[in-house]
Amino acid sequence: QVQLVQSGAEVKKPGASVKVSCQASGYIFTAYYIHWVRQAPGQGLEWMGWINPKSGGTSYAQRFQGRVTMTRDTSISTAFMEVSGVKSDDAAVYYCARDYKNSFEEWGQGTLVTVSS
Amino acid sequence: QTVVTQEPSFSVSPGGTVTLTCGLSSGSVSTSFYPSWYQQTPGQAPRTLIYNTNTRSSGVPDRFSGSILGNKAALTITGAQADDESHYYCAMYVGSDSWVFGGGTKLTVL
Repeated sequence: QVQLVQSGAEVKKPGASVKVSCQASGYIFTAYYIHWVRQAPGQGLEWMGWINPKSGGTSYAQRFQGRVTMTRDTSISTAFMEVSGVKSDDAAVYYCARDYKNSFEEWGQGTLVTVSS
Repeated sequence: QTVVTQEPSFSVSPGGTVTLTCGLSSGSVSTSFYPSWYQQTPGQAPRTLIYNTNTRSSGVPDRFSGSILGNKAALTITGAQADDESHYYCAMYVGSDSWVFGGGTKLTVL
């Protein structure tokens, strides 16, 4: 079955970078886009961007451009999302999700990122 | 910047029917926005209910249905059950390879 397994929780100091991984299994990794979505504590879902695992092409939400980088490694069927210069309001649960017909079909379990000095 | 609007909260009686809506600040919702709906309980990842306006995701009971009602996307729950008490989010493709989520609706079943 389709599974997206994300890396574990992270604690980062303000100004540091954090990189979250999302390993896919149960399907052809290069056949479906991967989205990244985050959820701050007590808040709603926020779309961050997507990566095309086949080409490596990306699209980012405007507010994340220049600070978020999405990459992939097809040899291990894994997508990565890195946030540079984290601030307190980057504290959130970060989810990866597989695209299907312009929706977020399958979700990873989420990765909690805490920002604390 | 496109804003997607949802009712902040709604309540329904057990066995009742409720329709949640999802609108656009920039105009009317159509199928071209590929509206989708997600259910989320605290501490869990979202679960996909509806995609492409009205297609149920695998394993979703048929008491959940999606549609366009007037100028908004809609999620209707027929015969509400206690475990339908959740947050519900809609999302839409707004063009230029971008998606936007609504702020979510907290549904109470009582």
